[in-house]
Amino acid sequence: DAGITQSPRHKVTETGTPVTLRCHQTENHRYMYWYRQDPGHGLRLIHYSYGVKDTDKGEVSDGYSVSRSKTEDFLLTLESATSSQTSVYFCAIRPGQGDLGYGYTFGSGTRLTVV
Amino acid sequence: DQQVKQNSPSLSVQEGRISILNCDYTNSMFDYFLWYKKYPAEGPTFLISISSIKDKNEDGRFTVFLNKSAKHLSLHIVPSQPGDSAVYFCAASSRSGTYKYIFGTGTRLKVLA
Repeated sequence: DAGITQSPRHKVTETGTPVTLRCHQTENHRYMYWYRQDPGHGLRLIHYSYGVKDTDKGEVSDGYSVSRSKTEDFLLTLESATSSQTSVYFCAIRPGQGDLGYGYTFGSGTRLTVV
Repeated sequence: DQQVKQNSPSLSVQEGRISILNCDYTNSMFDYFLWYKKYPAEGPTFLISISSIKDKNEDGRFTVFLNKSAKHLSLHIVPSQPGDSAVYFCAASSRSGTYKYIFGTGTRLKVLA
């Protein structure tokens, strides 16, 4: 959908295990973002990337790390999953040029359950 | 510290009537605002935007109004249709160069047939 895919779509994992979520784009966009969606909190930014190997923290980055070794892939890793990280995770992409009103294109999401 | 707030978690409207969704923000540096629509089990989709140099932007049935002095924006949907039933998020950004958007908590709109 619009050149952005997330995998897996659903995952159940145990507390304490590492988990990696993948975001893949075919749009060659410079900017990529990871958000989580939780009831009562809306969408909160975890990490973002503004180019290959260029990443920065968002508002809820504790317990997460990211990597971007090539333009098309942005990986989100939960180093040691906790129940508080049960959430729906969305990846978003945006080209580097153009005014801010362009907005993001979002993936379909990954539903992660930590038991 | 919620910089973008949507104080109404839900809203029900009759088909054909106007839906008004509200959003407040606290950061005076925000100068671009977006509305997204989200259906269950799907990613959010972009709906309409407005920059701080305008106070109104229209796209078909959707109009966004911006009141900078009140730090308030609203989305009007006229006429409302059952297919508009979804969660609506407002988002705001400043010219930081990294295009980071801060999202509100969302309002669930239900349009009754």
